[in-house]
Amino acid sequence: KAGVTQTPRYLIKTRGQQVTLSCSPISGHRSVSWYQQTPGQGLQFLFEYFSETQRNKGNFPGRFSGRQFSNSRSEMNVSTLELGDSALYLCASSSDRPNTEAFFGQGTRLTVV
Amino acid sequence: QKEVEQDPGPLSVPEGAIVSLNCTYSNSAFQYFMWYRQYSRKGPELLMYTYSSGNKEDGRFTAQVDKSSKYISLFIRDSQPSDSATYLCAIASGGSYIPTFGRGTSLIVHP
Repeated sequence: KAGVTQTPRYLIKTRGQQVTLSCSPISGHRSVSWYQQTPGQGLQFLFEYFSETQRNKGNFPGRFSGRQFSNSRSEMNVSTLELGDSALYLCASSSDRPNTEAFFGQGTRLTVV
Repeated sequence: QKEVEQDPGPLSVPEGAIVSLNCTYSNSAFQYFMWYRQYSRKGPELLMYTYSSGNKEDGRFTAQVDKSSKYISLFIRDSQPSDSATYLCAIASGGSYIPTFGRGTSLIVHP
């Protein structure tokens, strides 16, 4: 069974640009959550999608957005990048609720310069 | 006060030692308790998941939850160098089910 796949693995962007990250969940999983991980703040929840609908949202500005497609693949977008957006962005998939046996991808390391 | 507190370490132990990792939390509504292991440059991997007070054992790992004290622990028996990683506790309520993570404890098991 293939795991959670995130692309790209590494990304370098300039302040003010926008970026799109992709996540392919485990086959059959309908819940996809996105997290930001930084040394200072740890793992912070961004949002969760279930069956193409945003079901939960964390406390991040509107520059952070996401969507989920009918095949459960998800993308997150960050517009007007800031230096503080440099982080490891992790995607997790689960069959139903986000805390039930969630499987994480390896993450996308975003560096904003 | 953060909702979930976890000592960042590092915690350094010799191979074969029993390791105790801990988290405290402030919200009594939390009902679901998880431990994740994260190796460097990898995503977190779920180790243990429980929703009740008491102990849950899986191989060398034992998760312990004390809801009255709002305290959770992960014990690792016969620790191995391959256990060297960051261990994250995560706790969720029955409302949103969104886990709140601790900052993680860095564990180093030396041969």
